[in-house]
Amino acid sequence: KNEVEQSPQNLTAQEGEFITINCSYSVGISALHWLQQHPGGGIVSLFMLSSGKKKHGRLIATINIQEKHSSLHITASHPRDSAVYICAVEPYNTDKLIFGTGTRLQVFP
Amino acid sequence: GAGVSQSPSNKVTEKGKDVELRCDPISGHTALYWYRQSLGQGLEFLIYFQGNSAPDKSGLPSDRFSAERTGGSVSTLTIQRTQQEDSAVYLCASSLAWGAAQPQHFGDGTRLSIL
Repeated sequence: KNEVEQSPQNLTAQEGEFITINCSYSVGISALHWLQQHPGGGIVSLFMLSSGKKKHGRLIATINIQEKHSSLHITASHPRDSAVYICAVEPYNTDKLIFGTGTRLQVFP
Repeated sequence: GAGVSQSPSNKVTEKGKDVELRCDPISGHTALYWYRQSLGQGLEFLIYFQGNSAPDKSGLPSDRFSAERTGGSVSTLTIQRTQQEDSAVYLCASSLAWGAAQPQHFGDGTRLSIL
């Protein structure tokens, strides 16, 4: 079993839909990262959180440390949101990341 | 430059040759990481450097892989006697510090193809 599990693996949506991507992990962590990887490979850090909720524009990330679960939400989705979204955790006492396998999102107009 | 810079962006080489990949982190970032992304696979940790401490090499897949970081800045990842399974995108990231969770800033990667 992977230490970081994401669901769904693939997601398609119509423009304007509300999107939720889930991440569960099995290790104690100091932080959880949500990353975005566009076709062409560039990776952008969206959020880093260790508790509660963060919001940036149409993106919202939440984490429940007790349940070892995080969600990434996209409100009013747009075709430019199409990308692979990757959850990664930073275990205690280390700075190296353990990655989920990613969720491929396609938003159609 | 403003971001993490990697070179070359693409590298095609024959099986058995050695390759060197370069990463220039964001100025002032003391932590530097190398990751690998094989086709259809998730990201895989390789090695990370934290300031002047000994690097964490626990993710290197074989002794053909090595990395160094000179002067606490530029890093090179060297793969000796390349094999076809080494074909992947090699990503470098840097962060401001270690010991406290910090966002990592990624380069655009080097796409390595072994013929």
